[in-house]
Amino acid sequence: DVVMTQSPLSLPVTLGQSASISCKSSQRLVHSDGNTYLNWFHQRPGQSPRRLIYQVSKRDSGVPDRISGSGSGTDFTLKISRVEAEDVGVYYCMQGTHWSWTFGQGTKVEIK
Amino acid sequence: EVQLEQSGAEVKKPGTTVKISCRLSGDTFTDFSIHWLQQTPGKGPEWMGLINPEEGETMYAEKFQARVTITADTSKDTTYMELRSLRSDDTALYYCATSDAWGQGTLVTVSS
Repeated sequence: DVVMTQSPLSLPVTLGQSASISCKSSQRLVHSDGNTYLNWFHQRPGQSPRRLIYQVSKRDSGVPDRISGSGSGTDFTLKISRVEAEDVGVYYCMQGTHWSWTFGQGTKVEIK
Repeated sequence: EVQLEQSGAEVKKPGTTVKISCRLSGDTFTDFSIHWLQQTPGKGPEWMGLINPEEGETMYAEKFQARVTITADTSKDTTYMELRSLRSDDTALYYCATSDAWGQGTLVTVSS
């Protein structure tokens, strides 16, 4: 299985500041169709995970443009600019390139 | 827009079996592979397996392979996940998902 490693696991942030989460995969995530199926999810307590970013950098509908994804190969980053109170929760990276989906451990974002 | 609707919460005794359903609407059922995931309290989602409803092909994670069966009924646009020999550490939220959408989750509580 592909191992996804996130850092940091805990991220206290100040409102209005930026936050960045790293995700590294144990194998390259380029699919044979040429796409890279690296997603980012946000989960609030008591809610289902909500996908924010797919294929590394494409934002899902309704996701503000202050949230962005980047990266290639085995190294990926989620950036949240101008953090707002609604951004608290746990963020997961997930690879869907290989048939067995795998997730990072999760990064808990909280307001300082 | 694809939507996935799951069956309701279950309370089961250790050693018994649970079967959860997931109905797809908003698009052609046989166009999607349906994945099942387990999320135990405080942990990230873990992939259990998938089904290709058109072909009936299934794949399972090694961890669950001996105890899980995923099936599909194309006449009802519904997939099912059956987990046998339940134990207390199977207490979790179970999600069905496509590459673009997740169900709301089904809470399974295993308790004597």
